[in-house]
Amino acid sequence: DVKVTQSSRYLVKRTGEKVFLECVQDMDHENMFWYRQDPGLGLRLIYFSYDVKMKEKGDIPEGYSVSREKKERFSLILESASTNQTSMYLCASSPPGQGSPLHFGNGTRLTVT
Amino acid sequence: QKEVEQDPGPLSVPEGAIVSLNCTYSNSAFQYFMWYRQYSRKGPELLMYTYSSGNKEDGRFTAQVDKSSKYISLFIRDSQPSDSATYLCASGFYSSASKIIFGSGTRLSIRP
Repeated sequence: DVKVTQSSRYLVKRTGEKVFLECVQDMDHENMFWYRQDPGLGLRLIYFSYDVKMKEKGDIPEGYSVSREKKERFSLILESASTNQTSMYLCASSPPGQGSPLHFGNGTRLTVT
Repeated sequence: QKEVEQDPGPLSVPEGAIVSLNCTYSNSAFQYFMWYRQYSRKGPELLMYTYSSGNKEDGRFTAQVDKSSKYISLFIRDSQPSDSATYLCASGFYSSASKIIFGSGTRLSIRP
């Protein structure tokens, strides 16, 4: 079974703080993703990485950056947290190849006060 | 119009009933389709995925895709209280691993 592990289940941060969300997958997947999930808006892609040090912006990259120094680890960085970044953050991975489904972690519930 | 539309529910049915969850999509170029189950305060869990029109069965779950009408369905037979969750449909393209479009989810409750 694919295991995608997000380091924190719940985080509370203050406005203006730099926040790191960590994700590790154990299946040697090339692709890794960061989504946020908000009521009524569904899942929205923030960033996607298809290889080490490679990244692509998703639909809502503003205010976020990412880092992928090792294949198994994908980090999401909030440079200066704001209250509108309070959300559920979901990391996912998938193998290469056509039509590969995503495997998600359990999410990090971030609250910015 | 959203590319993948899903009735948010909530949908409440008695234990043992057959549940039908549905999505419609607007982009005829979608090539594969997925269903995820998400329990409260957990990440989405892949239930089924399919690449073609027709039915795919896995235990009590059947995924159905009708590309001619752009309709995706998930049927749950002999529903159990443990099936109570939010169900997300999703559609994607072979050419782009990042271009997966999710429905907003249907909240399902199975009454004992």
